Amino acid sequence: NAGVTQTPKFQVLKTGQSMTLQCAQDMNHEYMSWYRQDPGMGLRLIHYSVGAGITDQGEVPNGYNVSRSTTEDFPLRLLSAAPSQTSVYFCASSYSTGRVYGYTFGSGTRLTVV
Amino acid sequence: SQQGEEDPQALSIQEGENATMNCSYKTSINNLQWYRQNSGRGLVHLILIRSNEREKHSGRLRVTLDTSKKSSSLLITASRAADTASYFCATPNNFNKFYFGSGTKLNVKP
Repeated sequence: NAGVTQTPKFQVLKTGQSMTLQCAQDMNHEYMSWYRQDPGMGLRLIHYSVGAGITDQGEVPNGYNVSRSTTEDFPLRLLSAAPSQTSVYFCASSYSTGRVYGYTFGSGTRLTVV
Repeated sequence: SQQGEEDPQALSIQEGENATMNCSYKTSINNLQWYRQNSGRGLVHLILIRSNEREKHSGRLRVTLDTSKKSSSLLITASRAADTASYFCATPNNFNKFYFGSGTKLNVKP
């Protein structure tokens, strides 16, 4: 049981480049979400999904796209990377919406945009 | 903002001492959760307390919830060096939005 798997673990991008951060879970969780964590700060919600085919925006969605074609996968796309997107990105999943159950987090992707 | 906010921002104690950190939030909640984050790692779920509960225990962890004051506390008893980490409270807001505070950084000195 791998839990939540994020790839890559580290990435350096040039300003303007695009890329996709991968997230996969093998726990049949309905709810998946993406957060970013900046130094000394908590986590800010970027996008989330309550099931395959359903996504919605969080607190800081600008510059990011998501899709949920399967229950297992929830990729995060950076359309045109900017230095302000330098951060650590975490994917999390839960059986339900998180209201009753806790989240399982991935180990994170550390992204640097130069 | 609906986030929970932890206090203090940083806490340094000796091994064996108890560590207490607090969380305040702004709106009514269904439950409140505490997470731990070791340096460079993802968050790990520690404990969940429902809005109709006042206290909950899990091993060396004790969580209290006071909905009238919109606050919660996490007590770690007999702390160990391995407890060194950042601790976050999290409060579900709307149906599908889940907010984290900025965390308490705990340093347990051996």
